[in-house]
Amino acid sequence: GAGVSQSPRYKVAKRGQDVALRCDPISGHVSLFWYQQALGQGPEFLTYFQNEAQLDKSGLPSDRFFAERPEGSVSTLKIQRTQQEDSAVYLCASSPAGGPLETQYFGPGTRLLVL
Amino acid sequence: KQEVTQIPAALSVPEGENLVLNCSFTDSAIYNLQWFRQDPGKGLTSLLLIQSSQREQTSGRLNASLDKSSGRSTLYIAASQPGDSATYLCAVYNQGGKLIFGQGTELSVKP
Repeated sequence: GAGVSQSPRYKVAKRGQDVALRCDPISGHVSLFWYQQALGQGPEFLTYFQNEAQLDKSGLPSDRFFAERPEGSVSTLKIQRTQQEDSAVYLCASSPAGGPLETQYFGPGTRLLVL
Repeated sequence: KQEVTQIPAALSVPEGENLVLNCSFTDSAIYNLQWFRQDPGKGLTSLLLIQSSQREQTSGRLNASLDKSSGRSTLYIAASQPGDSATYLCAVYNQGGKLIFGQGTELSVKP
């Protein structure tokens, strides 16, 4: 079956531009996670959904970052008024129920470069 | 606050060597620990998941151990191959579903 897919794979934005990153989780997976990975670093948690409910958004770095999953499947991470420090790879992951006995399945990521 | 550290940051070995990657974490109240592999430009692939009640997990040439009390895990790779070259990430699962990652060990296996 299909894995987690993300689009676009690469995005170049001018500083101040708004961007939207899409994640298609594995079909039927209840839990969806967004992570941010800076160059040479491990991924850092941004936010977590259980179906359409956003249960944890403690990792979002500022109010310019907004995520949604309105129908409990596809999710969009939106960054408003992008800054250079937003340049990173944004990873999406899904799991069947989000429990501690499950692994998270990661997509290939969207590489964002803000000029 | 949970912090995860991986040592070394980079490692280069000749093909055929056995090697050990290290991971340490500051808060022993974890639900599980996972090792991932990341190839350049790709997402993460889960290698091994060790539940908090377990001491080790094995998959093929890979063996991961967990010592919760000391806050340590090791990933042992036997008979390394050039195809093992990648970045290896350790992550602990804390309450609420989020994974806390180390910064990774970049492994290069020379033919």
